Amino acid sequence: ETGVTQSPTHLIKTRGQQVTLRCSSQSGHNTVSWYQQALGQGPQFIFQYYREEENGRGNFPPRFSGLQFPNYSSELNVNALELDDSALYLCASSARDSGANVLTFGAGSRLTVL
Amino acid sequence: ILNVEQSPQSLHVQEGDSTNFTCSFPSSNFYALHWYRWETAKSPEALFVMTLNGDEKKKGRISATLNTKEGYSYLYIKGSQPEDSATYLCALMNYGGATNKLIFGTGTLLAVQP
Repeated sequence: ETGVTQSPTHLIKTRGQQVTLRCSSQSGHNTVSWYQQALGQGPQFIFQYYREEENGRGNFPPRFSGLQFPNYSSELNVNALELDDSALYLCASSARDSGANVLTFGAGSRLTVL
Repeated sequence: ILNVEQSPQSLHVQEGDSTNFTCSFPSSNFYALHWYRWETAKSPEALFVMTLNGDEKKKGRISATLNTKEGYSYLYIKGSQPEDSATYLCALMNYGGATNKLIFGTGTLLAVQP
C-alpha cells in the first residue's frame, strides 16, 4: 500500500507567476483534499475533489484551482502568485464513504514566493 | 467562523515525564475530532479519530479523551520519549454538507529532552 506522494517538495517562484503542485493519492482512496499551512498557523482547507469534481471549498480566491484525474491523483494550481501564498501545501487523500474520514497526508510542497 | 484552539503552544519535558495537551472546539454540529502527530519534514500521521462523547482511545503510551458537550479533547502521553517529539494537531470535522473538511488548531509542539 503506497502512501500519498507530493511533488515538488520545494520550489521558489516570483510574484505574478503560476505554479502547479501534484499529488498522488493512497491506493483505495477516492477523495483528495488540499490544505495550506502558513507560518505559525494550522493547516487551512483549500478545497476537496471527489469524482473529478470540486466538492467543497474553503476561503480561498478563484486563482486557486484544482483538478482530479481518473486515477484519483490531483493537481493544485495557483495563478498570479502573491507573497502571502508562501506556505506549505499539504495534500490528503481519504475514502469518502469511510465515516469519519481519516486523512492520509503527504509530506507537503513548500512554496516560496519572492 | 469556527475556531479550534490548542494549548499549550509548545512544551518542553524531560524523558520519562508524562504530559497532556488540550484541544477546544465549538460543540455545535460536532461530527468527529481528529488527532494527528507531525514530525518535522514528514507527513502528519493520524493518531485517533473520535466521534462519541466520553470516547477514550489508546495507542501505546498515547491516549485521548473526548467531551463533545463542553467541546474539548485531551491528549495524554505517558512516560515521554525523545521520539515523541513532534507537533500534535487536533482537527474538528463538523456534521452536514458534502465536504468532510477538517478545521485544524495551530498545534502543540512537544520537545522531549533525553
